[in-house]
Amino acid sequence: DAGVIQSPRHEVTEMGQEVTLRCKPISGHDYLFWYRQTMMRGLELLIYFNNNVPIDDSGMPEDRFSAKMPNASFSTLKIQPSEPRDSAVYFCASSFRPYNEQFFGPGTRLTVL
Amino acid sequence: KNEVEQSPQNLTAQEGEFITINCSYSVGISALHWLQQHPGGGIVSLFMLSSGKKKHGRLIATINIQEKHSSLHITASHPRDSAVYICAVRRGETSGSRLTFGEGTQLTVNP
Repeated sequence: DAGVIQSPRHEVTEMGQEVTLRCKPISGHDYLFWYRQTMMRGLELLIYFNNNVPIDDSGMPEDRFSAKMPNASFSTLKIQPSEPRDSAVYFCASSFRPYNEQFFGPGTRLTVL
Repeated sequence: KNEVEQSPQNLTAQEGEFITINCSYSVGISALHWLQQHPGGGIVSLFMLSSGKKKHGRLIATINIQEKHSSLHITASHPRDSAVYICAVRRGETSGSRLTFGEGTQLTVNP
């Protein structure tokens, strides 16, 4: 398996623009997690899905953030409109069971100017 | 006070030294994870444990549930072990799969 795939790897955009980050989990994994990592706050869970259904979105910072999982092999994290303080590395991870090891994607480094 | 605290924040060692990184937490947990973040940014899960000790190669992780403490040991350290090591805890079963992360320990191993 190729592991968790994220795209793009780097994104530079201007304030106010819409940003869409994409994730393909490992085949067969039924849990998908979106994390954000910043120097100030470290790693934080934004939202996670089980069988394509959002289970806990309490980490989503604002209504500007939304996440979807239309099928078992694809998820998106959207920021609209983006702001400079959204600049961070966004990681997607997946696991086979809720309490099992999580496998992380390579991350998307987002810079909002 | 953070729920998960790691020490030290930064650690520099010489190749071959035995290394210990500590993680203390203040909440009831169902499991504790140790993660490694490479200089390039990728994150790899090293261990997931809920009791006792686990070993993988030169890495050993221990946990003491009563004392709410875990340690990650690296024997015969090597420059390629240089990375950020992150401790994360999963709270009780009713909290689902949410992980709470420590701030990480930056390890540098010099040749």
